[in-house]
Amino acid sequence: EAEVAQSPRYKITEKSQAVAFWCDPISGHATLYWYRQILGQGPELLVQFQDESVVDDSQLPKDRFSAERLKGVDSTLKIQPAELGDSAMYLCASSLGPQEITGELFFGEGSRLTVL
Amino acid sequence: GENVEQHPSTLSVQEGDSAVIKCTYSDSASNYFPWYKQELGKGPQLIIDIRSNVGEKKDQRIAVTLNKTAKHFSLHITETQPEDSAVYFCAAFTGGGRRALTFGSGTRLQVQP
Repeated sequence: EAEVAQSPRYKITEKSQAVAFWCDPISGHATLYWYRQILGQGPELLVQFQDESVVDDSQLPKDRFSAERLKGVDSTLKIQPAELGDSAMYLCASSLGPQEITGELFFGEGSRLTVL
Repeated sequence: GENVEQHPSTLSVQEGDSAVIKCTYSDSASNYFPWYKQELGKGPQLIIDIRSNVGEKKDQRIAVTLNKTAKHFSLHITETQPEDSAVYFCAAFTGGGRRALTFGSGTRLQVQP
């Protein structure tokens, strides 16, 4: 069964350090999302890609966060410098439909970040 | 933008009882309402969804109802089992400027054997 792959599963870092997360969506899925989930809360959208283009990054803290999907396949989310408040689960998800959810959103298992 | 509120935050039921989780949304243009189940240490997984042209949908022990006028939708789980214990999230999708799901804050369901 096709899955969304994410790495690393766990990352512990000190504040002010740089950290990066990688996501490989299900093959053929044009739309890729990065969500942040703080413990005890629902996922919140950080950035949405359609192929290699960003279609929504309005909630991405651009002073420290960046995201790219250069070839329209896998994606990297970077934080530099990390702050204590960035401790959360970073979830990647993908879906088939361009510009609209046509069905199921598939999530990866997430990357849990702890900033000390 | 869309705002989704979910209640209750925690729910404990006895095995075999029913569980109901309720959500309200703010944007009348929202047209797709999925429910996700998240087990410990895993990403959310879709369990059922409903579109705005349907009032109710059922899949075995799980059903979802939608009231567009009141802007609320609910998840119903019947004959609960211990493996139903997880965190459940409702979500709403608006096909306007922001084409992504907005999630509720989650309900932790505990099914007592």
